[in-house]
Amino acid sequence: AQKVTQAQTEISVVEKEDVTLDCVYETRDTTYYLFWYKQPPSGELVFLIRRNSFDEQNEISGRYSWNFQKSTSSFNFTITASQVVDSAVYFCALYPSNDYKLSFGAGTTVTVRA
Amino acid sequence: NAGVTQTPKFRVLKTGQSMTLLCAQDMNHEYMYWYRQDPGMGLRLIHYSVGEGTTAKGEVPDGYNVSRLKKQNFLLGLESAAPSQTSVYFCASTPHRGGVNEKLFFGSGTQLSVL
Repeated sequence: AQKVTQAQTEISVVEKEDVTLDCVYETRDTTYYLFWYKQPPSGELVFLIRRNSFDEQNEISGRYSWNFQKSTSSFNFTITASQVVDSAVYFCALYPSNDYKLSFGAGTTVTVRA
Repeated sequence: NAGVTQTPKFRVLKTGQSMTLLCAQDMNHEYMYWYRQDPGMGLRLIHYSVGEGTTAKGEVPDGYNVSRLKKQNFLLGLESAAPSQTSVYFCASTPHRGGVNEKLFFGSGTQLSVL
């Protein structure tokens, strides 16, 4: 069975602060995919990133960066110089290669205050 | 190219009523999913389908039924709605496994309230 844990329920920051969202996962599969999705107040789910288990290279996309550490089963997400538009619920998700199901964490609500 | 379309977007039911939520995708995806989203619990998988004519139970299947008679459509049924089924429902689809851009494409959600 797989499990995704997002221990932070809510994070509140002031604009321009950095914010890091933690994600810890459990799976018995050796090959799997990890995802981050954003859910803004409008409610839709927006795909942010997909990472394969065999690719531990960190990734940066604009103000977003991801730190994947297989040794600690973590896939953390950092928003640098946060903006009000970053206010949303962020979900981490796991998709094992031997299963058909994407399992989500409970989500972290990020509030960025001007 | 509409992607994943869910209908209806909002619905209010009385306890005991039945209804069907429709999910349609025009991307020729093999896999389709129904999730429900509740505060503090993230998205939980209700049922899923790995191809036309197939369905399987997810994490929270009780009280729901599904059908995938056509590849592009995945229906979620509530036979006798209960207040515990008040939730936001999301449909998603993805191509066959192993695709380079494998990810889930989500619909915009259905807000269901059961009184």
